[in-house]
Amino acid sequence: ETGVTQTPRHLVMGMTNKKSLKCEQHLGHNAMYWYKQSAKKPLELMFVYSLEERVENNSVPSRFSPECPNSSHLFLHLHTLQPEDSALYLCASSQDIAFGAPNEQFFGPGTRLTVL
Amino acid sequence: GQQLNQSPQSMFIQEGEDVSMNCTSSSIFNTWLWYKQDPGEGPVLLIALYKAGELTSNGRLTAQFGITRKDSFLNISASIPSDVGIYFCAGSPGRSGGSNYKLTFGKGTLLTVNP
Repeated sequence: ETGVTQTPRHLVMGMTNKKSLKCEQHLGHNAMYWYKQSAKKPLELMFVYSLEERVENNSVPSRFSPECPNSSHLFLHLHTLQPEDSALYLCASSQDIAFGAPNEQFFGPGTRLTVL
Repeated sequence: GQQLNQSPQSMFIQEGEDVSMNCTSSSIFNTWLWYKQDPGEGPVLLIALYKAGELTSNGRLTAQFGITRKDSFLNISASIPSDVGIYFCAGSPGRSGGSNYKLTFGKGTLLTVNP
Protein backbone atom coordinates (compact mmCIF):
# COMPACT_ATOMS: atom_id res chain seq x y z
CA GLU A 1 0.00 0.00 0.00
CA THR A 2 1.14 3.51 -0.73
CA GLY A 3 -0.03 6.96 0.24
CA VAL A 4 -3.06 7.26 2.51
CA THR A 5 -5.65 4.50 2.73
CA GLN A 6 -9.09 4.57 4.31
CA THR A 7 -11.58 1.85 5.19
CA PRO A 8 -14.38 1.31 4.70
CA ARG A 9 -14.98 3.21 1.48
CA HIS A 10 -18.74 3.23 2.06
CA LEU A 11 -20.72 2.98 5.28
CA VAL A 12 -24.43 3.05 5.99
CA MET A 13 -25.47 3.21 9.62
CA GLY A 14 -28.49 3.89 11.75
CA MET A 15 -28.59 6.63 14.30
CA THR A 16 -28.14 4.19 17.18
CA ASN A 17 -25.20 2.30 15.68
CA LYS A 18 -21.55 2.53 16.66
CA LYS A 19 -18.98 2.30 13.89
CA SER A 20 -15.37 3.29 13.27
CA LEU A 21 -13.51 4.73 10.31
CA LYS A 22 -9.88 3.77 9.82
CA CYS A 23 -7.06 5.65 8.15
CA GLU A 24 -3.47 4.57 7.58
CA GLN A 25 -0.66 6.61 6.05
CA HIS A 26 2.41 5.02 4.48
CA LEU A 27 4.33 8.26 3.97
CA GLY A 28 6.25 8.47 7.23
CA HIS A 29 4.43 11.67 8.18
CA ASN A 30 4.01 13.02 11.69
CA ALA A 31 0.64 14.74 11.33
CA MET A 32 -2.78 13.33 10.49
CA TYR A 33 -6.12 15.04 9.93
CA TRP A 34 -9.84 14.29 9.70
CA TYR A 35 -11.97 16.42 7.37
CA LYS A 36 -15.69 16.42 6.57
CA GLN A 37 -16.74 17.13 3.00
CA SER A 38 -20.38 18.01 2.39
CA ALA A 39 -21.95 19.00 -0.89
CA LYS A 40 -21.60 22.66 -1.84
CA LYS A 41 -19.34 23.40 1.15
CA PRO A 42 -15.58 23.76 1.53
CA LEU A 43 -13.71 21.00 3.34
CA GLU A 44 -14.19 21.31 7.08
CA LEU A 45 -11.28 20.47 9.34
CA MET A 46 -12.39 18.28 12.26
CA PHE A 47 -9.31 17.03 14.11
CA VAL A 48 -5.54 17.27 13.87
CA TYR A 49 -3.01 14.94 15.45
CA SER A 50 0.72 15.43 15.68
CA LEU A 51 2.80 12.44 16.81
CA GLU A 52 -0.30 10.83 18.35
CA GLU A 53 -1.23 13.96 20.30
CA ARG A 54 -4.43 15.78 19.44
CA VAL A 55 -3.64 19.41 18.68
CA GLU A 56 -6.93 20.55 17.17
CA ASN A 57 -10.60 19.86 17.81
CA ASN A 58 -12.53 22.18 15.58
CA SER A 59 -15.69 22.34 17.70
CA VAL A 60 -16.70 18.85 16.62
CA PRO A 61 -19.67 17.23 18.44
CA SER A 62 -18.76 14.53 20.93
CA ARG A 63 -20.55 11.88 18.85
CA PHE A 64 -17.33 11.93 16.79
CA SER A 65 -14.40 10.55 18.78
CA PRO A 66 -10.93 10.37 17.22
CA GLU A 67 -8.13 8.03 18.20
CA CYS A 68 -4.50 8.02 17.10
CA PRO A 69 -2.66 4.98 18.48
CA ASN A 70 0.52 5.75 16.52
CA SER A 71 1.67 8.21 13.90
CA SER A 72 0.59 5.95 11.03
CA HIS A 73 -2.96 5.18 12.11
CA LEU A 74 -5.98 7.34 12.79
CA PHE A 75 -9.50 6.29 13.71
CA LEU A 76 -12.80 8.13 13.90
CA HIS A 77 -15.30 6.45 16.21
CA LEU A 78 -18.92 7.24 15.48
CA HIS A 79 -21.96 6.84 17.74
CA THR A 80 -25.51 8.19 17.82
CA LEU A 81 -24.97 10.14 14.61
CA GLN A 82 -27.60 12.31 12.95
CA PRO A 83 -28.71 12.23 9.29
CA GLU A 84 -26.99 15.60 8.75
CA ASP A 85 -23.69 13.87 9.54
CA SER A 86 -23.93 12.08 6.21
CA ALA A 87 -20.91 13.20 4.18
CA LEU A 88 -17.55 12.14 2.76
CA TYR A 89 -15.01 11.83 5.58
CA LEU A 90 -11.47 12.39 4.43
CA CYS A 91 -8.25 11.56 6.19
CA ALA A 92 -5.05 13.39 5.33
CA SER A 93 -1.44 13.45 6.47
CA SER A 94 1.40 15.93 6.26
CA GLN A 95 5.07 15.85 7.09
CA ASP A 96 4.75 17.89 10.25
CA ILE A 97 2.75 20.75 11.77
CA ALA A 98 5.80 22.69 12.91
CA PHE A 99 6.29 26.22 11.62
CA GLY A 100 8.35 26.08 8.45
CA ALA A 101 7.33 22.52 7.58
CA PRO A 102 5.70 22.04 4.16
CA ASN A 103 1.93 22.58 4.30
CA GLU A 104 1.20 19.94 1.70
CA GLN A 105 -1.47 17.55 2.89
CA PHE A 106 -2.06 14.22 1.19
CA PHE A 107 -5.55 12.78 1.25
CA GLY A 108 -7.00 9.31 1.35
CA PRO A 109 -9.92 8.27 -0.87
CA GLY A 110 -12.48 8.97 1.84
CA THR A 111 -15.34 7.10 3.47
CA ARG A 112 -18.80 7.90 2.10
CA LEU A 113 -21.02 7.84 5.21
CA THR A 114 -24.80 7.69 5.10
CA VAL A 115 -26.74 7.98 8.35
CA LEU A 116 -30.32 6.74 8.16
CA GLY B 1 -12.42 33.44 9.79
CA GLN B 2 -10.52 33.41 6.54
CA GLN B 3 -12.46 32.91 3.35
CA LEU B 4 -11.44 31.81 -0.09
CA ASN B 5 -13.45 32.79 -3.12
CA GLN B 6 -12.89 30.35 -5.96
CA SER B 7 -14.19 31.03 -9.44
CA PRO B 8 -15.75 30.01 -11.62
CA GLN B 9 -17.98 27.52 -9.81
CA SER B 10 -18.22 25.40 -12.95
CA MET B 11 -16.91 25.32 -16.50
CA PHE B 12 -18.04 23.47 -19.61
CA ILE B 13 -15.38 23.39 -22.32
CA GLN B 14 -14.48 21.55 -25.49
CA GLU B 15 -11.54 19.17 -25.59
CA GLY B 16 -8.41 21.03 -26.60
CA GLU B 17 -9.39 24.35 -25.05
CA ASP B 18 -7.38 26.07 -22.34
CA VAL B 19 -8.88 26.62 -18.88
CA SER B 20 -8.27 29.23 -16.20
CA MET B 21 -9.56 29.37 -12.65
CA ASN B 22 -8.58 31.45 -9.66
CA CYS B 23 -8.87 31.92 -5.94
CA THR B 24 -8.84 35.08 -3.91
CA SER B 25 -8.40 35.42 -0.19
CA SER B 26 -9.52 38.02 2.31
CA SER B 27 -6.08 37.85 3.94
CA ILE B 28 -2.49 37.10 3.06
CA PHE B 29 -1.41 33.50 2.52
CA ASN B 30 2.13 32.16 2.48
CA THR B 31 1.21 28.87 0.83
CA TRP B 32 -1.14 28.07 -2.03
CA LEU B 33 -2.04 24.53 -3.00
CA TRP B 34 -4.11 23.22 -5.90
CA TYR B 35 -5.91 19.87 -5.72
CA LYS B 36 -8.05 17.82 -8.11
CA GLN B 37 -10.81 15.51 -6.90
CA ASP B 38 -12.35 12.81 -9.07
CA PRO B 39 -15.82 11.44 -8.22
CA GLY B 40 -15.70 9.06 -5.28
CA GLU B 41 -12.06 9.82 -4.52
CA GLY B 42 -10.08 12.11 -2.27
CA PRO B 43 -8.33 15.28 -3.44
CA VAL B 44 -4.98 14.77 -5.16
CA LEU B 45 -2.30 17.44 -4.83
CA LEU B 46 -1.39 18.99 -8.19
CA ILE B 47 0.84 21.95 -7.42
CA ALA B 48 2.24 23.61 -4.30
CA LEU B 49 3.33 27.27 -4.27
CA TYR B 50 5.39 28.84 -1.49
CA LYS B 51 6.66 32.16 -2.85
CA ALA B 52 4.84 35.29 -4.01
CA GLY B 53 5.11 35.60 -7.78
CA GLU B 54 6.09 31.95 -8.17
CA LEU B 55 4.98 30.24 -11.37
CA THR B 56 5.05 26.43 -11.28
CA SER B 57 4.13 23.87 -13.91
CA ASN B 58 3.10 20.23 -13.69
CA GLY B 59 2.65 18.92 -17.22
CA ARG B 60 -0.19 20.85 -18.83
CA LEU B 61 -1.00 22.55 -15.55
CA THR B 62 0.49 25.88 -14.51
CA ALA B 63 -0.22 27.68 -11.26
CA GLN B 64 0.84 31.09 -10.01
CA PHE B 65 1.15 32.57 -6.55
CA GLY B 66 -0.22 36.10 -6.85
CA ILE B 67 2.15 38.95 -6.06
CA THR B 68 -0.28 40.38 -3.50
CA ARG B 69 -0.28 37.00 -1.67
CA LYS B 70 -4.06 37.14 -1.73
CA ASP B 71 -4.68 35.21 -4.91
CA SER B 72 -3.62 32.27 -7.01
CA PHE B 73 -4.39 31.05 -10.51
CA LEU B 74 -4.48 27.63 -12.15
CA ASN B 75 -4.31 27.18 -15.91
CA ILE B 76 -4.83 23.93 -17.82
CA SER B 77 -3.69 23.91 -21.42
CA ALA B 78 -5.07 21.74 -24.22
CA SER B 79 -7.70 20.07 -22.02
CA ILE B 80 -8.48 16.37 -22.42
CA PRO B 81 -11.47 14.33 -21.17
CA SER B 82 -9.58 13.01 -18.13
CA ASP B 83 -9.21 16.59 -16.85
CA VAL B 84 -12.84 16.33 -15.74
CA GLY B 85 -13.23 16.75 -12.00
CA ILE B 86 -13.40 19.30 -9.22
CA TYR B 87 -10.39 21.56 -8.72
CA PHE B 88 -9.80 23.03 -5.26
CA CYS B 89 -7.50 25.76 -4.14
CA ALA B 90 -6.23 25.80 -0.57
CA GLY B 91 -4.19 28.36 1.29
CA SER B 92 -2.34 28.63 4.54
CA PRO B 93 -1.17 31.73 6.39
CA GLY B 94 1.93 29.85 7.51
CA ARG B 95 2.18 31.87 10.70
CA SER B 96 4.10 30.77 13.74
CA GLY B 97 2.11 30.23 16.93
CA GLY B 98 0.43 27.00 16.02
CA SER B 99 -1.68 27.68 12.95
CA ASN B 100 0.93 26.90 10.31
CA TYR B 101 -0.69 23.63 9.30
CA LYS B 102 -4.24 24.92 8.82
CA LEU B 103 -5.51 24.99 5.26
CA THR B 104 -8.50 27.03 4.11
CA PHE B 105 -10.19 25.48 1.08
CA GLY B 106 -12.17 27.01 -1.74
CA LYS B 107 -15.54 25.53 -2.72
CA GLY B 108 -14.11 24.10 -5.91
CA THR B 109 -14.45 24.53 -9.67
CA LEU B 110 -16.29 21.73 -11.45
CA LEU B 111 -14.71 21.17 -14.86
CA THR B 112 -16.53 19.32 -17.63
CA VAL B 113 -14.70 18.58 -20.87
CA ASN B 114 -16.73 17.64 -23.93
CA PRO B 115 -14.86 15.30 -26.29
